[in-house]
Amino acid sequence: NAGVMQNPRHLVRRRGQEARLRCSPMKGHSHVYWYRQLPEEGLKFMVYLQKENIIDESGMPKERFSAEFPKEGPSILRIQQVVRGDSAAYFCASSPLMGIREQYFGPGTRLTVT
Amino acid sequence: DAKTTQPNSMESNEEEPVHLPCNHSTISGTDYIHWYRQLPSQGPEYVIHGLTSNVNNRMASLAIAEDRKSSTLILHRATLRDAAVYYCILPGKYNNNDMRFGAGTRLTVKP
Repeated sequence: NAGVMQNPRHLVRRRGQEARLRCSPMKGHSHVYWYRQLPEEGLKFMVYLQKENIIDESGMPKERFSAEFPKEGPSILRIQQVVRGDSAAYFCASSPLMGIREQYFGPGTRLTVT
Repeated sequence: DAKTTQPNSMESNEEEPVHLPCNHSTISGTDYIHWYRQLPSQGPEYVIHGLTSNVNNRMASLAIAEDRKSSTLILHRATLRDAAVYYCILPGKYNNNDMRFGAGTRLTVKP
């Protein structure tokens, strides 16, 4: 049973470009969470999604950031018109629908904006 | 959302026990207490969780106060590999899988 997959692992973008980060949850998991970690800081919650639904996006910046988790395929975190302050590690985690379960984290995508 | 308070950092010697405290005075009756850790340059990994009773697994033990307003993660014999940031987490508002991370405790293990 493969773990949570994230790709790419490293992404370099110039200011103004778009960044698309992908997260494939563990098999059978229908909940996905995205977190951002700035250098030398803790994890900050961004968004919580179920299949085809955004449950809580209270941690997402109001502009330029969006997330989706379609019925088929991976969850996508999209950052438009990236700025240097977006440089960070972005982690996704998944959990199953029912029960008190741990979140399983992916290895993260390290975004560098030049 | 319920909040947790942890010391910013702690130190331990290798092969000695480590007790990592967490205060969560606003915990509600149905909130599970989760602990995760993050090793350098890695994603977080699950350590343990509990509701009321003390819990043990191969990684650690979780001691929960009788009033549930605090808990302690116990590493019985710290190794160098246990150096990490340890997060004590209560669930967010949606369900017990909706967790919000605080700043955590950075554990340094000295040889």
